[in-house]
Amino acid sequence: DAEITQSPRHKITETGRQVTLACHQTWNHNNMFWYRQDLGHGLRLIHYSYGVHDTNKGEVSDGYSVSRSNTEDLPLTLESAASSQTSVYFCASSESALQETQYFGPGTRLLVL
Amino acid sequence: DQQVKQNSPSLSVQEGRISILNCDYTNSMFDYFLWYKKYPAEGPTFLISISSIKDKNEDGRFTVFLNKSAKHLSLHIVPSQPGDSAVYFCAASVGNQFYFGTGTSLTVIP
Repeated sequence: DAEITQSPRHKITETGRQVTLACHQTWNHNNMFWYRQDLGHGLRLIHYSYGVHDTNKGEVSDGYSVSRSNTEDLPLTLESAASSQTSVYFCASSESALQETQYFGPGTRLLVL
Repeated sequence: DQQVKQNSPSLSVQEGRISILNCDYTNSMFDYFLWYKKYPAEGPTFLISISSIKDKNEDGRFTVFLNKSAKHLSLHIVPSQPGDSAVYFCAASVGNQFYFGTGTSLTVIP
């Protein structure tokens, strides 16, 4: 069955370290998204991609970067982790057409000490 | 500025009764609306959606209502079951961009 996976599921890191969160989908979706979920804020968009080599900034992109070298993967990198980036991160994907549902991965819980 | 708002952080309902979850939005360009359900330690899962050209969409026990003039969206669950206890997020989209509310935690009491 097609699916979307994230790894690691839990991560503890120190302030200043570079961290990469992986997202892999097997639906062959062109669109992929990264969100963070924080109490009182719901899901906020970090970065998104509409296809290979395409990346765009979302609402809360500062301190994060993504790259899209193939259809299946959209890794999220925290260049220099900060305590404010402690959060739960969700990856999602969708078909290219408009009004298509986004499908979410299981999430990565990141703690920055 | 939050374009999609869920003003009730929590809701408790007796099993068998109706659950009504509400959502308000500010952007009149939104043309597609969705509800997601989220259990702890899992990703959100799609529940039901509605296009802006409709005012109602039903799927089993779940019905979504859209009032475009009021910029208001609601999800009705009838009858509510204990397994419906979860956090519910509403979302609105324009193009391929989605905006999510802050979520409402629903507890269905057996």
